[in-house]
Amino acid sequence: DVKVTQSSRYLVKRTGEKVFLECVQDMDHENMFWYRQDPGLGLRLIYFSYDVKMKEKGDIPEGYSVSREKKERFSLILESASTNQTSMYLCASRKRGWKLFFGSGTQLSVL
Amino acid sequence: GQQLNQSPQSMFIQEGEDVSMNCTSSSIFNTWLWYKQDPGEGPVLLIALYKAGELTSNGRLTAQFGITRKDSFLNISASIPSDVGIYFCAGQIGSNYKLTFGKGTLLTVNP
Repeated sequence: DVKVTQSSRYLVKRTGEKVFLECVQDMDHENMFWYRQDPGLGLRLIYFSYDVKMKEKGDIPEGYSVSREKKERFSLILESASTNQTSMYLCASRKRGWKLFFGSGTQLSVL
Repeated sequence: GQQLNQSPQSMFIQEGEDVSMNCTSSSIFNTWLWYKQDPGEGPVLLIALYKAGELTSNGRLTAQFGITRKDSFLNISASIPSDVGIYFCAGQIGSNYKLTFGKGTLLTVNP
């Protein structure tokens, strides 16, 4: 079975803090994605990476950056967390062009 | 960008009833995926469809890839309480790396 692991289920941070969300997949997938999910807005794509050291902006990249130094790991960085970044963050991965598999999510609260 | 219209937004049904939900788009997709998300968890892939007209089952779930390639539906037969959750459709166009997601259907099953 494909396993996409997000490092934290719940995080509480303060406004202005730098926040790292980590995601690891164990199936040698080329593509990795970060989404945020908010009630009524569905899943919105923040950034994606189609291979190591490659990244592309999704639909809502403002306030976020990403890092993909190794194939199995894709990190989402909030340089200076703000309250409007309180959300559920979902990481996903797939073999190029195939089915997308999600992690369990990180519920981030920024106070 | 592409948009998916998923309906209904929510459903409240009795245990044992059949359920039907669908997604439509003005764009043509070459892959349709259906996901279920339990509260506080990431979406889990239920069914993947790759050909127009394809009808695929997974237990009590059946999904079809519309013949026009602009729609898909998901049926759940004889619903049970553990079917509760949010169901998402997702479509992919060509070799585009991004999936487009519907906003989800919230299903509640009354025992």
